[in-house]
Amino acid sequence: SQKIEQNSEALNIQEGKTATLTCNYTNYSPAYLQWYRQDPGRGPVFLLLIRENEKEKRKERLKVTFDTTLKQSLFHITASQPADSATYLCALDNIGAGSYQLTFGKGTKLSVIP
Amino acid sequence: GAGVSQSPSNKVTEKGKDVELRCDPISGHTALYWYRQSLGQGLEFLIYFQGNSAPDKSGLPSDRFSAERTGGSVSTLTIQRTQQEDSAVYLCASSLVGRTAGGSNQPQHFGDGTRLSIL
Repeated sequence: SQKIEQNSEALNIQEGKTATLTCNYTNYSPAYLQWYRQDPGRGPVFLLLIRENEKEKRKERLKVTFDTTLKQSLFHITASQPADSATYLCALDNIGAGSYQLTFGKGTKLSVIP
Repeated sequence: GAGVSQSPSNKVTEKGKDVELRCDPISGHTALYWYRQSLGQGLEFLIYFQGNSAPDKSGLPSDRFSAERTGGSVSTLTIQRTQQEDSAVYLCASSLVGRTAGGSNQPQHFGDGTRLSIL
């Protein structure tokens, strides 16, 4: 069956450390993978998009990697701040299998402790 | 404003009633999506509109759910004969036209959703 698994529902880290969130998928053949941030009571906000033939993408303190062999994406936030506390969602398509819509993971709730 | 606007922000209704949820996308965005988010669950795709093409309705959970997009802009999601399991946050997103059939190569811009509660 198809699965998108994001590591532990909640992740607590100390301010200033690097947060690493994982997104593992099973029985998907994605062309694109996206990461979003969602705050309580708000809609998701787009952060980064990476293509299947890209290994890594960066934006300010954010870095995403995409390993289609391991079927995994890692999302890193360096020098984390309390303001980075939110739920982070990964989303991917399944174009290799003819399914074009994004499917979202359930998210990881990140708490950055001062 | 410049973002995606959804109304109402909250809706409480009795089981069996019909509800209409509205979405105003970002001007110039030809792609529009509806999702449902239940407590502790991921976003569930419902329907996708792209320009004048036939919508992708593959995510609609039952024939009680329907959506339309008038003039390529505003969209309305209608749920008929609501059931308690329909209680969720309904999110709308818009994006520029994508190269892929589902627009997955484009960032999606979300509204803050309509929180629907069925009593």
